[in-house]
Amino acid sequence: DTAVSQTPKYLVTQMGNDKSIKCEQNLGHDTMYWYKQDSKKFLKIMFSYNNKELIINETVPNRFSPKSPDKAHLNLHINSLELGDSAVYFCASSPSVGQGIQYQETQYFGPGTRLLVL
Amino acid sequence: AQSVTQLDSQVPVFEEAPVELRCNYSSSVSVYLFWYVQYPNQGLQLLLKYLSGSTLVKGINGFEAEFNKSQTSFHLRKPSVHISDTAEYFCAVSRGGYQKVTFGIGTKLQVIP
Repeated sequence: DTAVSQTPKYLVTQMGNDKSIKCEQNLGHDTMYWYKQDSKKFLKIMFSYNNKELIINETVPNRFSPKSPDKAHLNLHINSLELGDSAVYFCASSPSVGQGIQYQETQYFGPGTRLLVL
Repeated sequence: AQSVTQLDSQVPVFEEAPVELRCNYSSSVSVYLFWYVQYPNQGLQLLLKYLSGSTLVKGINGFEAEFNKSQTSFHLRKPSVHISDTAEYFCAVSRGGYQKVTFGIGTKLQVIP
């Protein structure tokens, strides 16, 4: 059973297009995240949602808009794609303290979506 | 603000030899510390974490790390590496709760047969 899943796994598109990446977790976690990993493997937080509420919004262009229809889903929509958006995007989730102290502060990552903008 | 420094971008080591991957952090407040591993073309997976208590933390796959507050370090060690340990290792720091996790730039561990 996949805990954190992302679709699509690969995304190749032209500059200027709009695309979406979907993320779903079946762990019952309250918090979900989007990270961007560049070609040098540097991993940077973009957004975080807790129970559908935005709690972390790093310095990310307005072209990136997250949406959380429910606490099991966090989607990422990107408008007017640019060459510099090419990267691997990871979704992650983590439990709240009340969901088990042994899992506290642990983030569970999806397999990543490899985005290439041409 | 918090930050993490991983001093080595690549560490080659022979199979069955010991390894240490170094991590230093800076923060003005108490922090939680983590090591995550990323195998090729996969997401990150938690190896171990320090939240409180014993400063020596044991994780999965035979890895351990020691929290040293005076030296602001959280180095990762394994006494005998295996080919399957070849991966990218990320040190991370957080202030907990809903605060963001800051990751280091990663250390690529290359195990040589």
